[in-house]
Amino acid sequence: AQKITQTQPGMFVQEKEAVTLDCTYDTSDQSYGLFWYKQPSSGEMIFLIYQGSYDEQNATEGRYSLNFQKARKSANLVISASQLGDSAMYFCAMREAYNTDKLIFGTGTRLQVFP
Amino acid sequence: DTEVTQTPKHLVMGMTNKKSLKCEQHMGHRAMYWYKQKAKKPPELMFVYSYEKLSINESVPSRFSPECPNSSLLNLHLHALQPEDSALYLCASSQTTGGGSPLHFGNGTRLTVT
Repeated sequence: AQKITQTQPGMFVQEKEAVTLDCTYDTSDQSYGLFWYKQPSSGEMIFLIYQGSYDEQNATEGRYSLNFQKARKSANLVISASQLGDSAMYFCAMREAYNTDKLIFGTGTRLQVFP
Repeated sequence: DTEVTQTPKHLVMGMTNKKSLKCEQHMGHRAMYWYKQKAKKPPELMFVYSYEKLSINESVPSRFSPECPNSSLLNLHLHALQPEDSALYLCASSQTTGGGSPLHFGNGTRLTVT
């Protein structure tokens, strides 16, 4: 079964607008961590933001925020004020407490920002 | 600039060749990882080293052989590869393997097997 599901293969957003990238996950662990990464066409994976399962507040890092809804098992990434440089693949990933060595990635969402 | 350095950036090798991919980090991280990424797919975990000991081998074929000479270096030795092994190979490191310790990735090595 898929542990991490990203249902949007591609998204378009106009510059300066906000965009939400969806991520749902499946785990029976109470303790886990959720990560978002950005991968430009150059190939490097860039860490964006982290949310722990016990964190009461949604994580924020600059223009990135994570809309964490634990009961729904969703961890959506919100990018505010999109920029052309935000065009990239975005991956949601999870690490479970029982298997802390493994970071499992979703299938990704390709975001394209247009002027 | 990434703090995880991978060399070479590109590699073309024949099926009978032996080559190595190298990865280096100087952030004092104690966990290092190899991932394989095919085009338009997410990265797939291959190996994890924690405190210089191999902790995960995701049933990777023996033609891929990892080595962790010290806490800063990670190698991936390649031998008798197949064309389907052509992919982007990503190295990553993290402070530890647990909790909120994010993985920091290198720029990857684009491998083509002919």
